[in-house]
Formats: sequence, C-alpha cells, structure tokens
Amino acid sequence: KQEVTQIPAALSVPEGENLVLNCSFTDSAIYNLQWFRQDPGKGLTSLLLIQSSQREQTSGRLNASLDKSSGRSTLYIAASQPGDSATYLCAVRHAGANSKLTFGKGITLSVRP
Amino acid sequence: DTGVSQNPRHKITKRGQNVTFRCDPISEHNRLYWYRQTLGQGPEFLTYFQNEAQLEKSRLLSDRFSAERPKGSFSTLEIQRTEQGDSAMYLCASSSEGGRNEQYFGPGTRLTVT
Repeated sequence: KQEVTQIPAALSVPEGENLVLNCSFTDSAIYNLQWFRQDPGKGLTSLLLIQSSQREQTSGRLNASLDKSSGRSTLYIAASQPGDSATYLCAVRHAGANSKLTFGKGITLSVRP
Repeated sequence: DTGVSQNPRHKITKRGQNVTFRCDPISEHNRLYWYRQTLGQGPEFLTYFQNEAQLEKSRLLSDRFSAERPKGSFSTLEIQRTEQGDSAMYLCASSSEGGRNEQYFGPGTRLTVT
C-alpha cells in the first residue's frame, strides 16, 4: 500500500526566503507525482506534475524534483512571498491501471511579511 | 474551458437525511474522480469513472454512498442516512485518459452533518 509522507506539518518563514518542501513515498512504482496548493476552505490547484521518467519540472518560482528510486520529491519555492501562504500537498499516481492519487497530509506554509 | 465545477458549495444537513452532490468535469475529460478530505488530512480516494463506467470504489465508500455518471458527463455522489462522521469536504477531479493524466480539481462541496 502506497504511503505518502510530508514533514514538517507546518512551516513559517520570513518573506524573501528560498525554501524546500519535502515529500516521500513508499512504493517507487509510480506513474507520476503532482504538487498541489490548497487555500483554506478551497479546492486544490495543480502546481506541477512530474512524470516518472522525469527528474524535475519548473514553473515560475517553483521547481519540483523527483528521485523515484529513493521515493522522494521536493518542491522548491524561490523568493517566497506572503501570497505563497497555503497548504502544499503532494500526491502520487501508481503505475498500475488504477489512476487514483494517494496524497500526503500537506505542509501548511506561512510566509511572514 | 471553465474547469471542474461542483454544486452545492456548502451543505448543512441533519443526521439521517440524504444528500446529493453534483460534479461537472472539464468537457473533454473522460475520467472523473471523487475524493473526501477531512480537517488536517490529505484527500482520500473514494471512486472513479472512465466515461460512464465506475471502475473502482474505495472501501471508504460504504453502502450508504453511491455514485453515478450517466452518459459519461456529470457525476452525482449521494450519501444516504448521513452520519456526523460524514462531515468533510467532497472533492471532484477530472482528467483525460492518455498523456500526462493530470488531475484537475473542483472547488469542493463542504458537508456539515449536525
């Protein structure tokens, strides 16, 4: 059974800091990995998707990396801003026929002005 | 492309009542997923459809829950005889079958059972 872990559960940083959010998963047989952002009481916004054959993906100030063999992914946020404050979730899709996502519990990020 | 939409956004009901939620996926997506999210947790998979066929159901989906996707377009999730433990955010997502299979989520329906 796939398990996804995100530690720590919460993080507070001053504005402008570069930061790394970690995600680990137990079963390396994945199809892809997605990072999502969730604002309080809202749905999920997809930030980046990395296919299992890829090492990283970039979008603006965000960069996500994937090391499938070690079961790890990181989301790098450059020059953090107060507007980045949200919960960040990673989710993996198994390589089998089922396309469901297995999520971590998320990291709640607070960027202080 | 208007994205995934869900209705209602909020639902408050009394224990024992039945509720139904609707999800309209992105129009060209043939896969549709339901997830449930409780406070402080990540979403948990409930069920998914490819076109009108329900291909998998989680053991979380008790016999009080039923989902349909007639004609392979919108989907409904019904909960019968609601319990306080059903209080959660119910999220719908859709994706295309091939390629990246990226899942796009709707805004969710927040259910509160009193």
